[in-house]
Parts: sequence; structure tokens; C-alpha cells
Amino acid sequence: SQTIHQWPATLVQPVGSPLSLECTVEGTSNPNLYWYRQAAGRGLQLLFYSVGIGQISSEVPQNLSASRPQDRQFILSSKKLLLSDSGFYLCAWSITSTGYNNQPQHFGDGTRLSIL
Amino acid sequence: AQKVTQAQTEISVVEKEDVTLDCVYETRDTTYYLFWYKQPPSGELVFLIRRNSFDEQNEISGRYSWNFQKSTSSFNFTITASQVVDSAVYFCALSRSNYQLIWGAGTKLIIKP
Repeated sequence: SQTIHQWPATLVQPVGSPLSLECTVEGTSNPNLYWYRQAAGRGLQLLFYSVGIGQISSEVPQNLSASRPQDRQFILSSKKLLLSDSGFYLCAWSITSTGYNNQPQHFGDGTRLSIL
Repeated sequence: AQKVTQAQTEISVVEKEDVTLDCVYETRDTTYYLFWYKQPPSGELVFLIRRNSFDEQNEISGRYSWNFQKSTSSFNFTITASQVVDSAVYFCALSRSNYQLIWGAGTKLIIKP
């Protein structure tokens, strides 16, 4: 069966510090991968998605970046964190689909990021 | 434009009551997919159901049921005989052709014992 691992679960970082959140998927090949952010009490905001190694699409201009160095590894990074980067970050995967996005997304447990 | 509206920000009911969560969508696509997800207090999102635009049959899974009506662009979710463990935020989502989902703002469901 497929599993998704996301770490760390909680992170407290000072303003201006770098960030690296990692997500890995097991039990499937060539998944679509996604990074979302959820502000407290709010809905989901798609940050990045990837349909293959080295292929990253960004949805929202920001000081975050994403990379996919391996097929089942997705990394969210920042060189200098801002206060506004605080939130709940979720990684997700879905089976590759052609045309319409008809596959459900499966989520990791999330990382609660607090910027001080 | 594609859009998902969950007008109910928060619903509070007493355990064992039935509750319906509303989801209204907008799309010009003829082929699309709708999803419901549950986010319990622990934070992870759990996939509940997927429905394609050509299948308007209602679906029942235990105490959960979904009513899809293309005529009103709605995909409502009903929990029968609610339980405290049903307390969560529920999201409705609509597929886009470029691998993305359009998410509703979510409905926070509180089940009181």
C-alpha cells in the first residue's frame, strides 16, 4: 500500500532563517506531488505541484521554492522565512492521470510552522 | 470561472442528529470530478469520496451519504446519526484539467455529546 511521510511535524523558526520541509511517498511510482499551505481556520492554498522529477509548477508568487530531486521526494524550501510564512503545510500525492485531474489526493500529516 | 462554495462556515449539532453539509460548484467543463475530504483536529486530510460529472447516482457509505445534483450544481454530504468522532472540518473540491483541485473554504462540524 502507498504511504506518505512528511517531517518535521512541528517547527519553530526565527524570521530570516532558512527552511526545508521534506515529503516522501512509498509504494507508488511517478506520483503527482503537491505542497499546500493552510492558515489557521482557513482553506487550502496550493503552493506547488510536480508531475515528474525536476518539474515544478508554482501557483503563488512567494519566497518559497520546491524541488523534486527524486521520483518520490518533494522538498519545500525558503532561504529567508517571513512572519507570513507561518501556517500548516501539507504534502500530498496522487496517481498520475492524463487530462482531467480525476485522482484523489492523499495527504501527509502536515507540518505546523511557526515563525517568531 | 471555476469555484466551490461551502456557505456553512460552522455547524453545531447534538450527537445522533442528522446533518447536511452543502457544496455548490461552478464550472464550464462538461467533464469534471468532485471530492469530499475530512480534516479532523489532528490535521491530516482524509479522502472520503470522488464523483464524476456523468454519474449522478447518490452514494451511501455507512452513515455517510452524498447527493449529487447537476441541475443545481450541488454535491451535498449528509451524516446520519452523527457521532462525536465526526467532528472535523469538511472540504469539498472540484477538479481542474491541469492536475489541480479547486477547494471550498471548508465547513467546521461540531458534534456535541
